[in-house]
Amino acid sequence: QKEVEQDPGPLSVPEGAIVSLNCTYSNSAFQYFMWYRQYSRKGPELLMYTYSSGNKEDGRFTAQVDKSSKYISLFIRDSQPSDSATYLCAMSSYNNNDMRFGAGTRLTVKP
Amino acid sequence: DTEVTQTPKHLVMGMTNKKSLKCEQHMGHRAMYWYKQKAKKPPELMFVYSYEKLSINESVPSRFSPECPNSSLLNLHLHALQPEDSALYLCASSQSGQVGGYTFGSGTRLTVV
Repeated sequence: QKEVEQDPGPLSVPEGAIVSLNCTYSNSAFQYFMWYRQYSRKGPELLMYTYSSGNKEDGRFTAQVDKSSKYISLFIRDSQPSDSATYLCAMSSYNNNDMRFGAGTRLTVKP
Repeated sequence: DTEVTQTPKHLVMGMTNKKSLKCEQHMGHRAMYWYKQKAKKPPELMFVYSYEKLSINESVPSRFSPECPNSSLLNLHLHALQPEDSALYLCASSQSGQVGGYTFGSGTRLTVV
């Protein structure tokens, strides 16, 4: 079993849709949870950074962490064609030695 | 300045060549990282530098040699690479002690022929 599982998609939605992206993990020591957005041929860009369980909202983006279920989500409201990218979840315990990325979900938002 | 700058953006090298990848940041971050990313795969950690000292080497072959000349610069020296080393090489930085939340560069796309 991989430490971090993420459906690679691809996921295609119409403009304006609500997008839900998810990751599950097996290491209960993970405390820090991140979502990165990566455009084609570019480096990952940090979107959301959360510690422990709970919700965090930033504009059209909401990150949720449920440590009891070992499940994290990223919601994108009113999706735009410019949101088309690969979204990577990442997580770590108390140091960077064990930071792990999910496989990434490729999202396409169609006009 | 909130960027990590990587040069060159593209590199094609033969298996007998020696080349170097460069990374620069001026955010005062004291932790810097090299990652390797194959197509449609997540980034894989190669090296971590903390306060200019190598703190993590993820069992990377010796044909990859990292160097951190100062707190703003990170190099990756390449020698005798194999075609399977072709990938996007990403540099990242963060505040020392910060967990995750890296700032990544745009990467160097390396092709070994």
